[in-house]
This record gives sequence, structure tokens and C-alpha cells, in this order.
Amino acid sequence: GAVVSQHPSRVICKSGTSVKIECRSLDFQATTMFWYRQFPKKSLMLMATSNEGSKATYEQGVEKDKFLINHASLTLSTLTVTSAHPEDSSFYICSASRAAYEQYFGPGTRLTVT
Amino acid sequence: GNSVTQMEGPVTLSEEAFLTINCTYTATGYPSLFWYVQYPGEGLQLLLKATKADDKGSNKGFEATYRKETTSFHLEKGSVQVSDSAVYFCALDRGSTLGRLYFGRGTQLTVWP
Repeated sequence: GAVVSQHPSRVICKSGTSVKIECRSLDFQATTMFWYRQFPKKSLMLMATSNEGSKATYEQGVEKDKFLINHASLTLSTLTVTSAHPEDSSFYICSASRAAYEQYFGPGTRLTVT
Repeated sequence: GNSVTQMEGPVTLSEEAFLTINCTYTATGYPSLFWYVQYPGEGLQLLLKATKADDKGSNKGFEATYRKETTSFHLEKGSVQVSDSAVYFCALDRGSTLGRLYFGRGTQLTVWP
């Protein structure tokens, strides 16, 4: 149990376009979902925390108008990268939490902006 | 501030060798500490955790002890297997906000038969 999926696993988009990444908890309801960004040879950087039905809380330095997060239900959160640029190319990972110290991670989405 | 420092990788070992991956932390308050593992093509999985000083987390032959005096949480395994090849992340949860994890950079482990 406690499986988190992400879709798509890989996406290539042109500069200036927007791309949406979905994160789903498949067999549990997640009170909180998190979005991370992982750079090569660097740790995961938390971008934002979202709770179902409320606005996401963004970490300092993360542009909320560029990285739109919607948490419409207890099993689905989406991250939309708007007006993507090559510097947004990265590995994006979501996680879902159902209780204290229980955080389950998705497999990640590789975004490449050309 | 809160941060985690992990030993730089990659680490390459022969099967049945002893493994240590160092992790030290800086945190306010009383954090909980975690080791996550990421196998190729998969998401991060919780390997073990410790929620207070002197606790020892263990799973699948891996162990780590929460040492408050040295602010460390080193990962050890007595005899590694090829299937242990993965990236290992040390992380801390400051505890003030549910699920707010601070990660180290990750250590790539490769085990050869």
C-alpha cells in the first residue's frame, strides 16, 4: 500500500509553453502533498506544501506565479510550470503524507524545456 | 538553520563489504532523522527513522543511531548486496510542520558481485 504515482514520467516542451504534472496517491487519502525539485548531484529542494482545498505554501525563492499548484482532492495534486524556460528543466518529485512521519514519494517527472 | 550534510559519493563496494555513509545535521529543536533510498527508476522509499536521541533505526540489515552529541545519523550495513545499489538520502524533519523534510545531497552506492 501507500503508492504515489506521477504523470508524465518524462516531458519535453518548448520554451514559453506550459506543462502540467500530476501527482496521485493511489490507495490512500493524503492530507498533505509536497512538491520537490531535484538538481543533478544535489539534494531535493522543497518547492511547496499543499493541503487539499487550500492554497499552497511556497518556500522562499519559489515563484508562485510560475509554479502553480492545485490540490483539488485528497488524492490528486498538480504542478503547472507556466511559460517554461530551459532553466526550469529539472526532475520534479511529489510526495504525499497521510500521518506524521509517513511520507510517500512518487517516481518523479523529468522535464526538459527546449 | 536546518541542514543535512552527507558524505560525497559515489561509493563503490564489493558484495559482503561493510558500508558506512556519514550524515551530520544542523537543526533547531529536536528533529527526527531519516534515511531514504531511491532505487533506479523508482521513488524515494523510507529505509529507517529515529525520532529521538539515542534511538536506533533499523531495516533490511541497515542501521543508524541518532547521536545528539555529535549531531550525526550515520548509515551502516555489515554486509552489502548487489541489490543494495541505489542512492541514499539522509533527511531531517524539524517537527514543527508535518512532513517538512530537509534532505542531504544523496550518496550513490554501487555494489559489485
